[in-house]
Amino acid sequence: EIVMTQSPATLSVSPGERATLSCRASQSVSSNLAWYQQKPGQAPRLLIYGASTRATGVPVRFSGSGSGTEFTLTISSLQSEDFAIYYCQHYNSWPRTFGPGTKVETK
Amino acid sequence: EVRLVETGGDLVQPGGSLTLSCAASGFIITNNYMSWIRQAPGKGLEWVAVIYSGGGTNYADSVKGRFTISRDNSKSTVSLQMNSLRTEDTAIYYCARHSGSYENDHWGQGTLVTVSS
Repeated sequence: EIVMTQSPATLSVSPGERATLSCRASQSVSSNLAWYQQKPGQAPRLLIYGASTRATGVPVRFSGSGSGTEFTLTISSLQSEDFAIYYCQHYNSWPRTFGPGTKVETK
Repeated sequence: EVRLVETGGDLVQPGGSLTLSCAASGFIITNNYMSWIRQAPGKGLEWVAVIYSGGGTNYADSVKGRFTISRDNSKSTVSLQMNSLRTEDTAIYYCARHSGSYENDHWGQGTLVTVSS
């Protein structure tokens, strides 16, 4: 099983600032990496797939990069609606596994 | 528009059984992998089971032998039969579609399963 880790666990950011979230896989997942956003009481929402491709309707301020074992999600200028928990997930093999999440909160 | 609606969540005693259903619309379920993914209260996401477009299945080790995923193509539903439930199975259970590139591109709103005496 591939273990996914995320850092930091919590990121305190002011609106308008840049946020950088990291995700690491215990072995290579190529570019089979997705990022999801989850707000309280809601289901996760797909943001990024293929490590760097934005899903339909996702604002351009969200960008993903990386391959192999190291990945980054960047939010270029945080908006109020971006405060949420972000999960990475690999889909390179079974079982699919998720990282523990990074909570982005208001500074 | 793709839509997934889960039903069937309930309070059940340890050792009991429960069946969850996911009603899909806006696409043909046999064209996509379909998964169940769960989230324990205040915790992260855990993949549980998948049914492939060809009908094969796969399970997380934590539920193997206890849970069964199936689908009814005529009703466009995916089900999760859960037996021998444990307290650690308490979670919101989400139905999620896999896109053609295999990430989970659409999720239902979830249904809550509580296992407690």
